[in-house]
Amino acid sequence: QKEVEQDPGPLSVPEGAIVSLNCTYSNSAFQYFMWYRQYSRKGPELLMYTYSSGNKEDGRFTAQVDKSSKYISLFIRDSQPSDSATYLCAMRDNAGGTSYGKLTFGQGTILTVHP
Amino acid sequence: DTGVSQDPRHKITKRGQNVTFRCDPISEHNRLYWYRQTLGQGPEFLTYFQNEAQLEKSRLLSDRFSAERPKGSFSTLEIQRTEQGDSAMYLCASSAARIGGYTFGSGTRLTVV
Repeated sequence: QKEVEQDPGPLSVPEGAIVSLNCTYSNSAFQYFMWYRQYSRKGPELLMYTYSSGNKEDGRFTAQVDKSSKYISLFIRDSQPSDSATYLCAMRDNAGGTSYGKLTFGQGTILTVHP
Repeated sequence: DTGVSQDPRHKITKRGQNVTFRCDPISEHNRLYWYRQTLGQGPEFLTYFQNEAQLEKSRLLSDRFSAERPKGSFSTLEIQRTEQGDSAMYLCASSAARIGGYTFGSGTRLTVV
C-alpha cells in the first residue's frame, strides 16, 4: 500500500462547478501538507501549503487537513477552464532526523473543466 | 532570477548511452532535490543536496545514477548505460528553508529508445 493515496480520476466538471479533490495517507509523522498543480509537460506549481490540521483559504482555493482521519482535501470554487490540470497532493514530516523534508506525493488527479 | 531552470527540456537517447541533466536552482536556495515522474504517477524522490553535500539518496537511485552539486550552486544528474525503464520526467526543485514548499523546474523529459 502506498503511503499517500489519491484518486487519479479523471474528473470532468462544467465551468463554475465546485471541485473536491482528496488524498488519504498512512504515515502519522506527516505534518506539512501541500497541493501542487501541474500542467501538461510542466513542473508542479505550489498552490496551497498548510501545517497540521485545519483549513486554509486562498481566493477560490480552500485546503482542509484532518490529521485524525489522515485525510486532506482541496476545494476549488467557481472552477474555470484554466483550472484544467493534474492536481497533486504532497506531504512531509518535520524534516528532522534523516528525512530532510522530502515530499511524498499522491498519484495526481486529472481535472478537466469544460466551458 | 526567474525560478528553477532545467536543461535540456527534452532528451532522446539510445539505450546504453550516458546522459547528463543540469539544474540551476533559485540563487538563494541552499536545498536542492531531484525527483523522477513517470506517466500517470506523482513525482518520486531521488536525492537531496544541502549546499554541496548530498545528504540523502533514494533506493531508486541505482549505481548507474550519480548527482553532484559543486560549490552548492547548480546540480547535475547523470545516468550511465541508460535503459528503457529510465524514460521519465526528471524534476529538480529548490527551497530556502527546512520547512515550506519547494519551487520546481519544468523538468527534463528523457526518452530512451
